[in-house]
Amino acid sequence: EIVLTQSPATLSLSPGERATLSCRASQSVTSYLAWYQQKPGQAPRLLIYGASNRATGIPARFRGSGSGTDFTLTISSLEPDDFAVYYCQQRSNWLTFGGGTKVEIK
Amino acid sequence: QVQLQESGPGLVKPSQTLSLTCTVSGGSFISTDYYWSWIRQPPGEGLEWIGYIYYSGGAYYNPSLKSRVTISVDTSKNQFSLKLSSVTVADTAVYYCARLTDDLWLDNWGQGTLVTVSS
Repeated sequence: EIVLTQSPATLSLSPGERATLSCRASQSVTSYLAWYQQKPGQAPRLLIYGASNRATGIPARFRGSGSGTDFTLTISSLEPDDFAVYYCQQRSNWLTFGGGTKVEIK
Repeated sequence: QVQLQESGPGLVKPSQTLSLTCTVSGGSFISTDYYWSWIRQPPGEGLEWIGYIYYSGGAYYNPSLKSRVTISVDTSKNQFSLKLSSVTVADTAVYYCARLTDDLWLDNWGQGTLVTVSS
């Protein structure tokens, strides 16, 4: 099983600031990585797939990068609607998710 | 836009079988481009993939749950179903159904349904 480790667990930032979220895989997943956003009481929403491709309707302030074992989700300038929990997911070996990073308002 | 809706009992007794159904509307259920998947999330915790199925019936399961899980499909009703046997309190979670692309990304989700395992 491929284990995904997300860091930090919590990120405290203000609107307008840049958010940088990390996802590290226990072995290479090449570019087979996605990012999801989940708000309280809601289902997750696909943001990024294939490490760097934005899903339909996702604003350009969300950018995914990385390959192999190290991946980053960058939110260039946080909007109030972006405060949520973010999960990474790999599909290289079955499907597994990271533990999540909560982006909270500072 | 495809929509998915979970349905089933919200309370299951320990050792019994959890049964949920997902109804798909607004899109093509019979498609070579998608799979249909179940994911769960215990309260306050992260996401766990349970399994997925192709419209023709081929299913793939999380190895850690494989001995207890069955996913089936009913194309006449645009539905797919989950059965999880011998449940314990550890199976208490919000259960989501979702559409899985052929690249194995979850691009559309149901709203989720909370299933509590308790006597």
